[in-house]
Amino acid sequence: GENVEQHPSTLSVQEGDSAVIKCTYSDSASNYFPWYKQELGKRPQLIIDIRSNVGEKKDQRIAVTLNKTAKHFSLHITETQPEDSAVYFCAATYSGSARQLTFGSGTQLTVLP
Amino acid sequence: NAGVMQNPRHLVRRRGQEARLRCSPMKGHSHVYWYRQLPEEGLKFMVYLQKENIIDESGMPKERFSAEFPKEGPSILRIQQVVRGDSAAYFCASSPQGTVTERSEQYFGPGTRLTVT
Repeated sequence: GENVEQHPSTLSVQEGDSAVIKCTYSDSASNYFPWYKQELGKRPQLIIDIRSNVGEKKDQRIAVTLNKTAKHFSLHITETQPEDSAVYFCAATYSGSARQLTFGSGTQLTVLP
Repeated sequence: NAGVMQNPRHLVRRRGQEARLRCSPMKGHSHVYWYRQLPEEGLKFMVYLQKENIIDESGMPKERFSAEFPKEGPSILRIQQVVRGDSAAYFCASSPQGTVTERSEQYFGPGTRLTVT
C-alpha cells in the first residue's frame, strides 16, 4: 500500500518568511495529492491539491509542486502570517478508484511575530 | 450548503460500553470515509462507504468496530466494548464521487472526540 513520509515534523519561521514542507510517496499509481491545514481542536481543512497531470499549482500565498519521477511533492507558503500557524498534513491517493487518503505524519508550523 | 456534520462532538464512555458516532455527508456527496486521529498523530484511514455498501474496510480493526451507511440517515461508526486505547478523535470525510478523477476532494467534518474512562 501507499506510504507517505513528511518532513520536517516541526518548523518555526519569522513572520513574512517562507515555509516549505516536503512529502514523499511510495505508490507510483497515486495521482492526487491534497494538503490539509488543521488548527488545534479543529477539523482538517483542504487548502490546496494537485493532480499528477500538472507540476505546480498556486493559490495566492500557497503553492504546491509535484515531481512524479522522484515521487515527492512540496507545500510552499510565502509571506507567512501568524494565522498560518497550524499542523499541515500532506496526503496521497489514487483517485481513479476512490481509495482512501494516506496521510503524512504532519508538520507543526509556528509563525513567530 | 452545510458542510459535513458529525455528532456528538464529544463522547465519554466507560470501558466496556458502546460508542456510536454519526456522520452526515455534505449535500450531493455519496461517499463517506472514516479516519481516526490519535493525540498528536496523523489521520489513519478506517473505512470507506457508499450508500448501503462498505467499499473498503481495510483500516478498521477486525473486532469491536463496525460501520454502516444506510439508504436513509447518517453513516454510523460503532465501537463495541470500548477500551482506553480507543480514545481518539474520529473524523468523517465525504466526497462527491469516488471514481471520477476530477471529483475526488474529501471534506472533513468537525470530528467526534471519544474519551474512554
